[in-house]
Amino acid sequence: EVQLVESGGGLVQPGGSLRLSCAASGFTFSSYYMHWVRQAPGKGPVWVSRISADGSRTTYADSVKGRFTISRDNAKNTLFLQMNSLRAEDTAVYHCVCYGLGIIYWGQGTLVTVSS
Amino acid sequence: DIVMTQSPDSLAVSLGERATINCKSSQSVLYSSNNKHSLAWFQQKPGQPPKLLFYWASTRESGVPDRFSGSGSGTDFTLTISRLQAEDVAVYYCQQYYDVPLTFGQGTKLEIK
Repeated sequence: EVQLVESGGGLVQPGGSLRLSCAASGFTFSSYYMHWVRQAPGKGPVWVSRISADGSRTTYADSVKGRFTISRDNAKNTLFLQMNSLRAEDTAVYHCVCYGLGIIYWGQGTLVTVSS
Repeated sequence: DIVMTQSPDSLAVSLGERATINCKSSQSVLYSSNNKHSLAWFQQKPGQPPKLLFYWASTRESGVPDRFSGSGSGTDFTLTISRLQAEDVAVYYCQQYYDVPLTFGQGTKLEIK
C-alpha cells in the first residue's frame, strides 16, 4: 500500500522557520519526481515546489522562491521542505505529492499556521 | 503558466440526476509519448485531502464508482456523475500535470437540489 505521511507542521510566528518531512512507502520513491502542494483554508490547492528523482533539479512557485527549499533523501525515502521567512499567507495544509506515468499519490497533509 | 478554468463554480442537482462539470485548459496538455492528456480530476470533502478520481483525463482510479466518468480532448474536459448520490456532495477540481507549475481549476461546488 502506498503511503505518504507528512509531519513537521505547527504554529510559527511570522518570520520564523519550519521544516516539513514526508515519509514515503509502498513504491519506488527514488524513481519519481516529488512535489509539495498547499491548500489554504477555504481555498483550492496550489503547487509549491518540485524536485527531480535524483534531487539534482528543483523548481519553485514564485511566491516561495528564495524562502523555501525542497530536498530529498532517497536512502530514507523522505521528502523535505525547509520553509524560512514565513508569512501569514503561507498558512495552509501542505501535501507531499508524487506524479509519475500513470500514478498520482497524495499525502494527507500537515497544517502550517503562521500567526503571532 | 497553464490556466485551468472550470464551469460552473457551483452546481445543484437532484438525487439520481446527472451532474456535469467542465474544465478548460489555456493550452494543450497532451503528453506526446502516450498521446494522453495530463489531466486529473479530484473530489474534496470538508476536512479531507483531495481524492483522485481520474488521471489521463479518463482513466478511473481504483475504487471510484462507475457512475463517475471523465472525458475530453484538446483543451476541453468533462467530469460527469451519471446518477447523483448524497455522498457525491463535494468540491471537484481539475488539474493539469503536463508542466510545472501544476495548476488547478478554481473548483466546482456540487450540492443536492
